Amino acid sequence: SAVISQKPSRDICQRGTSLTIQCQVDSQVTMMFWYRQQPGQSLTLIATANQGSEATYESGFVIDKFPISRPNLTFSTLTVSNMSPEDSSIYLCSVPRGQVYGYTFGSGTRLTVV
Amino acid sequence: AQSVTQLDSQVPVFEEAPVELRCNYSSSVSVYLFWYVQYPNQGLQLLLKYLSGSTLVKGINGFEAEFNKSQTSFHLRKPSVHISDTAEYFCAVTPRSNFGNEKLTFGTGTRLTIIP
Repeated sequence: SAVISQKPSRDICQRGTSLTIQCQVDSQVTMMFWYRQQPGQSLTLIATANQGSEATYESGFVIDKFPISRPNLTFSTLTVSNMSPEDSSIYLCSVPRGQVYGYTFGSGTRLTVV
Repeated sequence: AQSVTQLDSQVPVFEEAPVELRCNYSSSVSVYLFWYVQYPNQGLQLLLKYLSGSTLVKGINGFEAEFNKSQTSFHLRKPSVHISDTAEYFCAVTPRSNFGNEKLTFGTGTRLTIIP
């Protein structure tokens, strides 16, 4: 199964600032998915990042708020911009690893905005 | 589009007792089904999955699940739970035909609490 290194694991940020979250995969993958998990809730897809093209955002999420970078097949970043307390969540990246392993997730970034 | 319903948001169970966590799904296309576990302050770990074949699938940590196509269910079971099973459990689906290119659709999760 793929190993995904996600950084930072947690952060406390001031409102109005931005945080960039990184995910590094130990092998090449075409698709990478970014999810948000609000406190006590399930996972909601923010966007899908396909290397070589613009990310595709789900309804309710916009590029200006959550810009995504996908410079190569092993790396992606998600930026949470102009943060407010409502952005306090866990953010997770995920990659498909074939039918044997399903989808693998990073360990998550626990963000608190104060 | 797909949707997943986990009928129980919280399930308290005594240690060494059996447990069943319920999951129902809705989809206009054939799907693959997954159960993930999230331990406190950690990411998601795959417990088991149903792709095809036998409808009873076994996963890690003694868990198993049964796919029931007619009832569109994929309930998770364990015959005897341990304290270490305390976690959040998520049921998820994704379309078969486009595996790897589409998201997982998650249920709202079930918090399993094991009582000593």
